[in-house]
Amino acid sequence: DQQVKQNSPSLSVQEGRISILNCDYTNSMFDYFLWYKKYPAEGPTFLISISSIKDKNEDGRFTVFLNKSAKHLSLHIVPSQPGDSAVYFCAASDSGTYKYIFGTGTRLKVLA
Amino acid sequence: GAGVSQSPSNKVTEKGKDVELRCDPISGHTALYWYRQSLGQGLEFLIYFQGNSAPDKSGLPSDRFSAERTGGSVSTLTIQRTQQEDSAVYLCASSSTTGNTIYFGEGSWLTVV
Repeated sequence: DQQVKQNSPSLSVQEGRISILNCDYTNSMFDYFLWYKKYPAEGPTFLISISSIKDKNEDGRFTVFLNKSAKHLSLHIVPSQPGDSAVYFCAASDSGTYKYIFGTGTRLKVLA
Repeated sequence: GAGVSQSPSNKVTEKGKDVELRCDPISGHTALYWYRQSLGQGLEFLIYFQGNSAPDKSGLPSDRFSAERTGGSVSTLTIQRTQQEDSAVYLCASSSTTGNTIYFGEGSWLTVV
């Protein structure tokens, strides 16, 4: 039972354009969400988070949008840079446990 | 240390042998997580320790897998009688009681031959 899904295994975007990475979840108890970036042979690094009390959180080039009714969140990267090429994971938990469940990841390739 | 430390970074073992993977979390972090990433797969939850509470072991794939956390700090993930399908990178992460962000180590790459 995959509670957190990233249905696009890969995405290619031209440098300077917007990258949109999507994530869906099924558990209505989830109320805290994280996005991570992972380069090969490295551990995942934290990018940005959002709580269910918000529908948008922005940090520099990264913005996360949350649609609670659709159980959907997305990460926008604008403008995209070649260094953004990595695998991106979304994660969700309920604030009672902070047990994070991760999606399967989306491999982003930003073309120069 | 400044970050989550994992050892060994790489381990090659023969099928049927036992292995132990160690995680040293960020000082003061009470929550500790183990995840696994098999080739081409996502991050699979294995086990979660939070303070003095009983660990959430719901993600352990079989009874060959076990984990301990001694003194609320260092954790050891043990895989008994390793199988080839256990080959993966095993990632440890930690977080504070009040922080909502989890911080990962670099992972332990396990290859079972």
